[in-house]
Amino acid sequence: SQQGEEDPQALSIQEGENATMNCSYKTSINNLQWYRQNSGRGLVHLILIRSNEREKHSGRLRVTLDTSKKSSSLLITASRAADTASYFCATPDNTDKLIFGTGTRLQVFP
Amino acid sequence: DVKVTQSSRYLVKRTGEKVFLECVQDMDHENMFWYRQDPGLGLRLIYFSYDVKMKEKGDIPEGYSVSREKKERFSLILESASTNQTSMYLCASSYTQGGRETQYFGPGTRLLVL
Repeated sequence: SQQGEEDPQALSIQEGENATMNCSYKTSINNLQWYRQNSGRGLVHLILIRSNEREKHSGRLRVTLDTSKKSSSLLITASRAADTASYFCATPDNTDKLIFGTGTRLQVFP
Repeated sequence: DVKVTQSSRYLVKRTGEKVFLECVQDMDHENMFWYRQDPGLGLRLIYFSYDVKMKEKGDIPEGYSVSREKKERFSLILESASTNQTSMYLCASSYTQGGRETQYFGPGTRLLVL
């Protein structure tokens, strides 16, 4: 069962621009997580936002959560070529297993 | 820093072979997970374990088994490899159960079954 869906599926931008990715989910959650995956590598945890939080920052990352709309967004400001990766949102299902979306592929051109 | 290691980055096996994928974490985490990742399908949970000698089926356990004899080690076993098990396999661990907290991933094993 798929809980999170990222949008867009792919995004291409120039270095210095901001990148915004969105995630929608279906059921009530206690947290939402964002992960990054560089090509051919494992996933790296970026940020976890809890259901009672609306916004969270970590360096150039800004995550928002709107539980009324069941959606979250990940904003990467002043993007760099090194940000090129796939980005996944993940939410726990009703049995507490973490369910991942299919990801947004971000390409940042120098 | 949490470190999760997987025994191989790349593996090539033949149909019918028994395949072992090993995962080790060094942070004394209770919980460990095996996922497979395929294009267009995202990550799918194969098996997980919340304690030593304990295992639970995930969403796609068919054709796989697991072993957790020690807290730090979680093995995925393909009893008789088939071509449809060609995939990227990712191991993860976490301190608390399931989706409540961060999961820490290994670098992945890309398995090709010929």
